[in-house]
Amino acid sequence: DVKVTQSSRYLVKRTGEKVFLECVQDMDHENMFWYRQDPGLGLRLIYFSYDVKMKEKGDIPEGYSVSREKKERFSLILESASTNQTSMYLCASTKRRWETEAFFGQGTRLTVV
Amino acid sequence: GDSVTQMEGPVTLSEEAFLTINCTYTATGYPSLFWYVQYPGEGLQLLLKATKADDKGSNKGFEATYRKETTSFHLEKGSVQVSDSAVYFCALSDRGETSGSRLTFGEGTQLTVNP
Repeated sequence: DVKVTQSSRYLVKRTGEKVFLECVQDMDHENMFWYRQDPGLGLRLIYFSYDVKMKEKGDIPEGYSVSREKKERFSLILESASTNQTSMYLCASTKRRWETEAFFGQGTRLTVV
Repeated sequence: GDSVTQMEGPVTLSEEAFLTINCTYTATGYPSLFWYVQYPGEGLQLLLKATKADDKGSNKGFEATYRKETTSFHLEKGSVQVSDSAVYFCALSDRGETSGSRLTFGEGTQLTVNP
């Protein structure tokens, strides 16, 4: 089975802190994605990556950056956390660029106080 | 841009009731359509998909038919169980040159099934 693992289930951070959310997949997938999930808004794409060291902005990239130094790992970085970034963050991967089935991690619930 | 609209929730049903969750979409290309399900405390998992017009996706008793003329992909199940309680997301992937396999999601519909 494909496994997508997010490093934390719950995080509490202070306003202004730099926050790292880590995601690792174990099936050699090419594509990785970071989504944010908020009630009534569904999932919104923050950033995605089709290859190592490449990244593309999604629909809501402001206040975030990403890093993909290795194929299996995709990190989401909140440069200076704010309370409006309190949310559930979901990582996903797909095998190839136009592969349509996405595999999701369990999510990280981030609270910024 | 692409968008997905789901029926407003939450939805509460009794066990063995018939379920319909409406989903309509707007896309510039010719998208693939999906239903994902999120059980409590878990990430999303693919429930079913359809890649072209008139295709029917099915899994675990759930079905949805890709209707290009009405731009819809409604989810149905004839007899729901308590274990079907979850959040259901409709999604599309337009497979464009620049978008690859990125997904656009609807708002999600919370389903609660009571015994």
